[in-house]
Amino acid sequence: AQSVTQPDIHITVSEGASLELRCNYSYGATPYLFWYVQSPGQGLQLLLKYFSGDTLVQGIKGFEAEFKRSQSSFNLRKPSVHWSDAAEYFCAVGKPGGGADGLTFGKGTHLIIQP
Amino acid sequence: EAGVAQSPRYKIIEKRQSVAFWCNPISGHATLYWYQQILGQGPKLLIQFQNNGVVDDSQLPKDRFSAERLKGVDSTLKIQPAKLEDSAVYLCASSATQGTEQYFGPGTRLTVT
Repeated sequence: AQSVTQPDIHITVSEGASLELRCNYSYGATPYLFWYVQSPGQGLQLLLKYFSGDTLVQGIKGFEAEFKRSQSSFNLRKPSVHWSDAAEYFCAVGKPGGGADGLTFGKGTHLIIQP
Repeated sequence: EAGVAQSPRYKIIEKRQSVAFWCNPISGHATLYWYQQILGQGPKLLIQFQNNGVVDDSQLPKDRFSAERLKGVDSTLKIQPAKLEDSAVYLCASSATQGTEQYFGPGTRLTVT
């Protein structure tokens, strides 16, 4: 069965600094990969997704992620964070053959922005 | 375009009581999902509907949880009887069809005391 690991439970970054959130997956084939953001009291919002093709994916709010098959990773990056980026971030993988169906989520990384 | 609607937003019940949650997906979306998100964890899929049929309920604790989507539009998720470990946020999501991007509602936060 597929699984997702987000090694960092909490990350603190200064406003204006760069950000990288780590995500590793376990999957038997070419995965469908996603990053979601969840603000307090809100549902999950899709930041970006990778299905195939270019391994560097651009998303909303200035985020990007890079798929590295050799490292089974799909890390999320942003060159300069804003205070409004403080939230919970989830990496997810779709089930084999299911596209965006049957998502398996990681436990999330809580991003704290300090002034 | 209206998003996924869920109600209630918050619910507090005692263990062994029953509770029901309601979800109205985005208009025209054929696929509907219920997730359980326990504090400190990522969401876990409970059940997936395609129109009014169940596609995947492999992680639904069927001894106490049930869900229906009778007319292929809105859906209800029921817990009977509730246990302490059912305290969680219950998220509903919908997508245009299977395999496409899911849109999430704000969730229902359940506290079982």
